[in-house]
Amino acid sequence: AQRVTQPEKLLSVFKGAPVELKCNYSYSGSPELFWYVQYSRQRLQLLLRHISRESIKGFTADLNKGETSFHLKKPFAQEEDSAMYYCALHNNAGNMLTFGGGTRLMVKP
Amino acid sequence: DGGITQSPKYLFRKEGQNVTLSCEQNLNHDAMYWYRQDPGQGLRLIYYSQIVNDFQKGDIAEGYSVSREKKESFPLTVTSAQKNPTAFYLCASSRRPGSGIYNEQFFGPGTRLTVL
Repeated sequence: AQRVTQPEKLLSVFKGAPVELKCNYSYSGSPELFWYVQYSRQRLQLLLRHISRESIKGFTADLNKGETSFHLKKPFAQEEDSAMYYCALHNNAGNMLTFGGGTRLMVKP
Repeated sequence: DGGITQSPKYLFRKEGQNVTLSCEQNLNHDAMYWYRQDPGQGLRLIYYSQIVNDFQKGDIAEGYSVSREKKESFPLTVTSAQKNPTAFYLCASSRRPGSGIYNEQFFGPGTRLTVL
């Protein structure tokens, strides 16, 4: 069975500090992973997908198949990064996503 | 802010009553989804529909029912059989699933249901 684990429910950092939100997955096939973000009073939205290898709002995430991880990183956190972040795994059998439990990031001034 | 809408934003229900949550989209998407969001548990899939007049159970379908009579609409009924219905419910839609290719799901603003 596929599973996504985000070990930290809350991550608090100061502005300008590096941030890493952890995500581990279990999946028997070739994984396709995503990070979704939910800012306060806004809708859940796609932040980035591993297949694109892009940097969005300064965030990057590298798929490490050996460690079955897809950690989200940013070198210098900003206050506007404060939000709820969800790691998600695509079920190749359909268009379904399996979500992790989420990590709330708080960036303090 | 169109695209995908959910109503109402807040809903209160007495124990033992059924209640229906609305989800409408004008994105011409074939697929629609219902998730339940609980603190610390992320989003869990309740039901999904890949095409009109067809829908499938997700991971936590017990106590819920859906219909998909129109492409634009995918209402969710929370029945009295749902043991712990108080939660935040999110609806999403996407283009028709391709063969192994992920089509981005777009989410509505959500409905917060509270059972009194």
